[in-house]
Amino acid sequence: DVKVTQSSRYLVKRTGEKVFLECVQDMDHENMFWYRQDPGLGLRLIYFSYDVKMKEKGDIPEGYSVSREKKERFSLILESASTNQTSMYLCASSLWGTGHNQPQHFGDGTRLSIL
Amino acid sequence: TQLLEQSPQFLSIQEGENLTVYCNSSSVFSSLQWYRQEPGEGPVLLVTVVTGGEVKKLKRLTFQFGDARKDSSLHITAAQPGDTGLYLCAGSTSGTYKYIFGTGTRLKVLA
Repeated sequence: DVKVTQSSRYLVKRTGEKVFLECVQDMDHENMFWYRQDPGLGLRLIYFSYDVKMKEKGDIPEGYSVSREKKERFSLILESASTNQTSMYLCASSLWGTGHNQPQHFGDGTRLSIL
Repeated sequence: TQLLEQSPQFLSIQEGENLTVYCNSSSVFSSLQWYRQEPGEGPVLLVTVVTGGEVKKLKRLTFQFGDARKDSSLHITAAQPGDTGLYLCAGSTSGTYKYIFGTGTRLKVLA
C-alpha cells in the first residue's frame, strides 16, 4: 500500500526556533508537495519539488524553505518560527508529470504550534 | 490568482438525506479532483473528472464537471454517518505541477 509518512503528528516550538518537518514517501514518486491547512482557507501550497534538488515556490513560500536531497524525502524548514506559522502542515506526493490527472497521496499531517 | 470557492462551508444533516456540495471558479481547469479528509488524517482522493460535462458515480456519490470546466458538484444520496468529513475540490491546469484547492465543505451526518 502506498504511504506518505510525516515524522511528527504534533509539534510545539518557540518563536525564533528553526523547525524541520520531515516527509518520506515509499512510492518512488517524482513530485512532492508541502501545504499548510487553515480553517476556511483550504490547503495552500508552500513549496513543491518535481525532482531531486529541484524546488519551486508555491503560493505562500515566505518564511519557509525546503530540501530534497533524496527522491523519497522532502523536508520543510521554518527558518525562524513565528506564531502565524501555527498550522496543520500536510505533505503529498504524486507521479511524474504535470498535475493534470495525477492524484496526490497525502500524509496524515503535522499539527505545529509556535508559542 | 486562481481561486476555488466551495459552498456550503458547513453542512449538518440527518442520515438518509441528500445533499449537494459546489465548487466554483472563474478559471478553467484541465481536471478537477475531489478529496475527503477525516479527522486526524490527510485527504484521500475520491475521483478525478477531466471532460466538460463529465459525470462520475462512486456508489452513492455523484460528481459532475461543468461544461465550461470552471465548476463542479458533488451530490450524495441517502447520506450516512460514514460520509462525515471535510470535502475538498482541487483544480489542475495542464502544463503545471500545481493544484489549487478549494476552501472545503465540512459535512456532518447525524445518525
